[in-house]
Amino acid sequence: KNQVEQSPQSLIILEGKNCTLQCNYTVSPFSNLRWYKQDTGRGPVSLTIMTFSENTKSNGRYTATLDADTKQSSLHITASQLSDSASYICVVITLPGYSNASKIIFGSGTRLSIQP
Amino acid sequence: DGGITQSPKYLFRKEGQNVTLSCEQNLNHDAMYWYRQDPGQGLRLIYYSQIVNDFQKGDIAEGYSVSREKKESFPLTVTSAQKNPTAFYLCASSKGDRDREFFGPGTRLTVL
Repeated sequence: KNQVEQSPQSLIILEGKNCTLQCNYTVSPFSNLRWYKQDTGRGPVSLTIMTFSENTKSNGRYTATLDADTKQSSLHITASQLSDSASYICVVITLPGYSNASKIIFGSGTRLSIQP
Repeated sequence: DGGITQSPKYLFRKEGQNVTLSCEQNLNHDAMYWYRQDPGQGLRLIYYSQIVNDFQKGDIAEGYSVSREKKESFPLTVTSAQKNPTAFYLCASSKGDRDREFFGPGTRLTVL
């Protein structure tokens, strides 16, 4: 069964600190993995997209890693800011099959709160 | 100014009524999607369309209907057959079915 599991479910850290969010998946066949940031009551915004051959990708203070062998990804946030408070969603996309379109599997997200 | 828009932002409906949520994009994207988000759960795919005049059921299509008469528009109708329609609805579009998705701002539907 295709699944994406994220941990922790929620996290509270002080402003200026670093943190790492985890994503484990059992999706096959794998096409790419994405991290999204979703502010409360808004649509998700793409942070990174990584294919099978990419181990790491950065977007400002956000750095995503991917280990396709262990099927794990992480999102590292450096020098957190109050505006980083949001839900972070891991999404895995499958390759299309002979008669099927790609599937998009969402994790349930990590709720991150940055405190001053 | 390119983007994807949804309207209205908040919608209230009486039980037993159908309601249509709007989604428009001017990104010239072929693929469009409707998702439902409930607290503590991942987004779930309702319907998707990879090309005009064609759409496919997602994982939770029961009680919903869509149309794709124009490339830029993908309205979602929540029918009275949907047993638990109160949720946050997100529309998205992408160039192709494995390309980066752009999400709209969402519509929060509350059934009274």
